[in-house]
Amino acid sequence: GAGVSQSPSNKVTEKGKDVELRCDPISGHTALYWYRQRLGQGLEFLIYFQGNSAPDKSGLPSDRFSAERTGESVSTLTIQRTQQEDSAVYLCASSLRPGRGTDTQYFGPGTRLTVL
Amino acid sequence: DQQVKQNSPSLSVQEGRISILNCDYTNSMFDYFLWYKKYPAEGPTFLISISSIKDKNEDGRFTVFLNKSAKHLSLHIVPSQPGDSAVYFCAAGIIQGAQKLVFGQGTRLTINP
Repeated sequence: GAGVSQSPSNKVTEKGKDVELRCDPISGHTALYWYRQRLGQGLEFLIYFQGNSAPDKSGLPSDRFSAERTGESVSTLTIQRTQQEDSAVYLCASSLRPGRGTDTQYFGPGTRLTVL
Repeated sequence: DQQVKQNSPSLSVQEGRISILNCDYTNSMFDYFLWYKKYPAEGPTFLISISSIKDKNEDGRFTVFLNKSAKHLSLHIVPSQPGDSAVYFCAAGIIQGAQKLVFGQGTRLTINP
């Protein structure tokens, strides 16, 4: 089956504009994660969705960042009033059964966001 | 506060030799460790993992070693092949937690023919 897909692959925006990034997880995967990778740095956890539970938003860097997920399918990450420091690759991952021992996260190719 | 550190940003190894990538962590709550491999313009792909009840896990050419007392893990690739050239990230998590992984900064491995 298809892997995790993300769109757009690249996004260039002007400072102050809002952007919306999309993630389609692997079908049947109940958990979905968003990470951010700034240039030369490791992946930084942003938010985690698991089924119908309240999302873990502990990694969101500011209230300009928000994310939604419809059931166990598509998720969108929204960044309002973008700043230049938001420039990064935003990666989405999904996994099948988190919390039941080790569970592999499968990553999408990412969206490269550039804020001018 | 960097909880997972990869102190070598790059490593160059000759084809056929052993590649050793290192990773250190500070949070003693971590009980599950993974290595991911990333090619340009692609997302990271899972390579190998180890839980804290073990000190070694092997899968083909890849072996991960865990030294809990030193809070250190390493990935050995032997023999190294040109297709192994990529950025390698170590990651750590807590099995019973939300499994939000904490990643190191990555090490760029180059295998020279």
